[in-house]
Amino acid sequence: KAGVTQTPRYLIKTRGQQVTLSCSPISGHRSVSWYQQTPGQGLQFLFEYFSETQRNKGNFPGRFSGRQFSNSRSEMNVSTLELGDSALYLCASSLGGYQETQYFGPGTRLLVL
Amino acid sequence: AQTVTQSQPEMSVQEAETVTLSCTYDTSENNYYLFWYKQPPSRQMILVIRQEAYKQQNATENRFSVNFQKAAKSFSLKISDSQLGDTAMYFCAFMKLYGGSQGNLIFGKGTKLSVKP
Repeated sequence: KAGVTQTPRYLIKTRGQQVTLSCSPISGHRSVSWYQQTPGQGLQFLFEYFSETQRNKGNFPGRFSGRQFSNSRSEMNVSTLELGDSALYLCASSLGGYQETQYFGPGTRLLVL
Repeated sequence: AQTVTQSQPEMSVQEAETVTLSCTYDTSENNYYLFWYKQPPSRQMILVIRQEAYKQQNATENRFSVNFQKAAKSFSLKISDSQLGDTAMYFCAFMKLYGGSQGNLIFGKGTKLSVKP
């Protein structure tokens, strides 16, 4: 089975712009979670989607949003980019049950100038 | 709120030796899972091992084993016969079961492990 894929792998944007990141889960997985990884804050949970519905959300401002499609692929959008949004954004997929392990993609490195 | 603490920012070990990475966590929950993930320099996060809190037996996966002390809220990872490919950041993670916690892994800050030849 193919693993979790994320596109693009690298992205450079300027302050004020918006960006959309994409995540394709492992085949058969219906849950996708998103995390932000920075040197200062470490790994922080953004949100989780299951069957096109957001089930859980972390403590991030409303500029961070996401959605999930019927094929379980997910997108994350950040509007009005700030310098502090520079980070590695990781997505992880799982079957969706409470006890299911998450499997991570390679991440998208976002640099905001 | 749950927290995960990894008190060793960096560690090193000689190839073929054994090393133990520490992790403590704070929670009032009784039902949860604990994980160790490995993130090599290539950045792909890989699951190393998983422990269900209701299981008293410590999980093992080949050269990797854990020492799970539920009362002490401690979850250490032992790597035996260390190999150069074990060089990576290791993250301890907690997941609460139920109660709106879906998909939410809480991570420690990580331990950077270097395996030296």
